Amino acid sequence: NAGVTQTPKFQVLKTGQSMTLQCAQDMNHNSMYWYRQDPGMGLRLIYYSASEGTTDKGEVPNGYNVSRLNKREFSLRLESAAPSQTSVYFCASSTLPGQSYEQYFGPGTRLTVT
Amino acid sequence: KQEVTQIPAALSVPEGENLVLNCSFTDSAIYNLQWFRQDPGKGLTSLLLIQSSQREQTSGRLNASLDKSSGRSTLYIAASQPGDSATYLCAVKGGSNYKLTFGKGTLLTVNP
Repeated sequence: NAGVTQTPKFQVLKTGQSMTLQCAQDMNHNSMYWYRQDPGMGLRLIYYSASEGTTDKGEVPNGYNVSRLNKREFSLRLESAAPSQTSVYFCASSTLPGQSYEQYFGPGTRLTVT
Repeated sequence: KQEVTQIPAALSVPEGENLVLNCSFTDSAIYNLQWFRQDPGKGLTSLLLIQSSQREQTSGRLNASLDKSSGRSTLYIAASQPGDSATYLCAVKGGSNYKLTFGKGTLLTVNP
């Protein structure tokens, strides 16, 4: 099992450019999440998908969109990147409702917006 | 709104020492609490998960305890090693939603 995978690992964008961060999990988890991690702010939830076909906003959704493509894949899109979106982005997935809800994280995407 | 605090923010100890990391949370209505380890430039690795009905969990040299009523958890690391150097994060899951609320972490350095 690869667990949670993310692409790309690193990305540099110019202000106003768009990009999509990809995430996939092979653990048959129902729920998937996107977080951002910033110095001094900790990890903050951007969007999550409780199950295939549903998505919901987290704490900091502005400037982002998500797509739950299927049970395995959950993508995060920046339509018009801003310097404030410079961050490390983590995707996670969790075990099924009724189980432990333990979350497993991917290795992260380091994004710089100039 | 749930808030999670980790004290201290940084800790430096000599190799072989036993140590305790602290985590406190403001809303005791949690579903579970999870401890993670994060190495520089890497993702988060789950260490231990404690359900709200449990008092502690153990894995090797790690022991995590939970006192839900007082809003506290501790992570005990026995016989610390330089390889334990990392940032340790705790996170709580609320009872009614999918969200994890994270603390800002404790940066642990174990000196040889």
